[in-house]
Amino acid sequence: KQEVTQIPAALSVPEGENLVLNCSFTDSAIYNLQWFRQDPGKGLTSLLLIQSSQREQTSGRLNASLDKSSGRSTLYIAASQPGDSATYLCAVHNTDKLIFGTGTRLQVFP
Amino acid sequence: DAGVIQSPRHEVTEMGQEVTLRCKPISGHNSLFWYRQTMMRGLELLIYFNNNVPIDDSGMPEDRFSAKMPNASFSTLKIQPSEPRDSAVYFCASSFVGANTEAFFGQGTRLTVV
Repeated sequence: KQEVTQIPAALSVPEGENLVLNCSFTDSAIYNLQWFRQDPGKGLTSLLLIQSSQREQTSGRLNASLDKSSGRSTLYIAASQPGDSATYLCAVHNTDKLIFGTGTRLQVFP
Repeated sequence: DAGVIQSPRHEVTEMGQEVTLRCKPISGHNSLFWYRQTMMRGLELLIYFNNNVPIDDSGMPEDRFSAKMPNASFSTLKIQPSEPRDSAVYFCASSFVGANTEAFFGQGTRLTVV
């Protein structure tokens, strides 16, 4: 059974810092991995999708890496801003299922 | 495309009543997922469909929960009878199965059972 874990559970940093959010999964037979952002009381917004054959994907200040063999992915946020404050979730596509991690709640203060 | 559309956005009902949540997936997607989100348990996969067929409903908590997908553009999640512990945000997501699968979520239905 696929299990997805995210560390840390919560993070509070001053504006401008570079951040690394971690995601680990137990079954490496995945199609791809997706990072989402969720603002309080809102739905999930897709940030990045990494195919199982890829090592990383970039979008603006966000960079996600994938090491399938070790069951790990990281989301790197450069030059964090208060607007980045949200919960970040990783999810793995395992066969037909999309299994979510527990999330990292990020707060960036001015 | 307008994205995944869920209705209603908010639902308040009394214990024992039947509740029906609705979802319209993105046109062309062939997979649909129903999730429940609570503070205690995070995002839980309840059931998912491929090509309108339920594939795995092992996440459905009890027989009080049922889901249908009569066609490619519509799905329902029904709770009968509802209980206070069913209070949560219910999300629907859709994707196209394959290596390039990217899932898109609706805005969710916030259910409160009093």
